[in-house]
Amino acid sequence: GENVEQHPSTLSVQEGDSAVIKCTYSDSASNYFPWYKQELGKGPQLIIDIRSNVGEKKDQRIAVTLNKTAKHFSLHITETQPEDSAVYFCAALRETSGSRLTFGEGTQLTVNP
Amino acid sequence: DVKVTQSSRYLVKRTGEKVFLECVQDMDHENMFWYRQDPGLGLRLIYFSYDVKMKEKGDIPEGYSVSREKKERFSLILESASTNQTSMYLCASRTTGFYGYTFGSGTRLTVV
Repeated sequence: GENVEQHPSTLSVQEGDSAVIKCTYSDSASNYFPWYKQELGKGPQLIIDIRSNVGEKKDQRIAVTLNKTAKHFSLHITETQPEDSAVYFCAALRETSGSRLTFGEGTQLTVNP
Repeated sequence: DVKVTQSSRYLVKRTGEKVFLECVQDMDHENMFWYRQDPGLGLRLIYFSYDVKMKEKGDIPEGYSVSREKKERFSLILESASTNQTSMYLCASRTTGFYGYTFGSGTRLTVV
């Protein structure tokens, strides 16, 4: 089955700096890669996703890049703000009937004012 | 606003008790999931369901069972709770053909 590894497990940045979280996956047939943000006391929320037919996707201050050859994808947050502080999870799956997401271990991002 | 609702935010149960965790979604989603969240281990899939009365084992089903009698409700059952089942439990749902999940807020279960 799929295996997803995520690094780093904790990340601390100053407000205004950029943050990068990286994930690798094992199943070359995986073609959908979402990122979730989990704020304290809440369930994870989908913030951005990418499919394997594109290499990069951007939504305001967040972007995701995908390298299919190397089987890794990354989340980039620019101009970080204190409200970006949360746990971030990457995930992967193959889009077929019956498939389910495999998640990484999570990254605790802290943005210091 | 679409929702996945988990009936309890916090639960404390005794070892050996039978525990029911309830999840209800109002989005008419076919697919529902139960995950367990532990620090450093991410989210691990316990069970999932594609339709009413259907269930599939995930990666860590031991010690758990599930029930889906109605489309909107997916219950996780701990037949005999043990201390190693102390964890955060997250329910999620998605509609067929779209792979983004909607999560509930979680139930933090402590077994003493």
